[in-house]
Amino acid sequence: DTAVSQTPKYLVTQMGNDKSIKCEQNLGHDTMYWYKQDSKKFLKIMFSYNNKELIINETVPNRFSPKSPDKAHLNLHINSLELGDSAVYFCASSQESGGGQETQYFGPGTRLLVL
Amino acid sequence: GIQVEQSPPDLILQEGANSTLRCNFSDSVNNLQWFHQNPWGQLINLFYIPSGTKQNGRLSATTVATERYSLLYISSSQTTDSGVYFCAVAYNQGGKLIFGQGTELSVKP
Repeated sequence: DTAVSQTPKYLVTQMGNDKSIKCEQNLGHDTMYWYKQDSKKFLKIMFSYNNKELIINETVPNRFSPKSPDKAHLNLHINSLELGDSAVYFCASSQESGGGQETQYFGPGTRLLVL
Repeated sequence: GIQVEQSPPDLILQEGANSTLRCNFSDSVNNLQWFHQNPWGQLINLFYIPSGTKQNGRLSATTVATERYSLLYISSSQTTDSGVYFCAVAYNQGGKLIFGQGTELSVKP
């Protein structure tokens, strides 16, 4: 039973294309997140949603648009992909109410390569 | 914003050796997590430890919140312990985790 799952695991695409990454959690958590890990392995938050409502948008270019159809799913759509978007994208979830006091559980990551 | 610094950046051990990884943070936190990123890229939760001490098998962690640091102890290291160890903290603000730069551990047989 995978707690936080992401699809696809690998994504290779051309510059300028539009792509989506899907995330699902079966933990019953209220909050989901997207993090980006760059080529130097630095991890940084991009977005978080609580019960389908956007809570955190960490100055990410508006080519990135998260969508949460329900609290178990948080998808990431990226328009007009650029070379610099190549990274590993991690989805995470927690039973979070805004105080930051809950354990976050991470998905397996999606490795995006833009050519 | 809050700063998280991990040391050492790299560590090479012989199998069976013990090690201590350190995480310093610049402000009060109400969440601190240690993760292991294995060579396949998976981020594995090790500990949720905003304060106190926890142990799980050969791993243990201690956070001294008043002095703003946390330590991860690995005893009797194994080759499967290789990978990158991350410390991450949160302090309100919707729970966003702020990561340190990681400690890359390599355990040689």
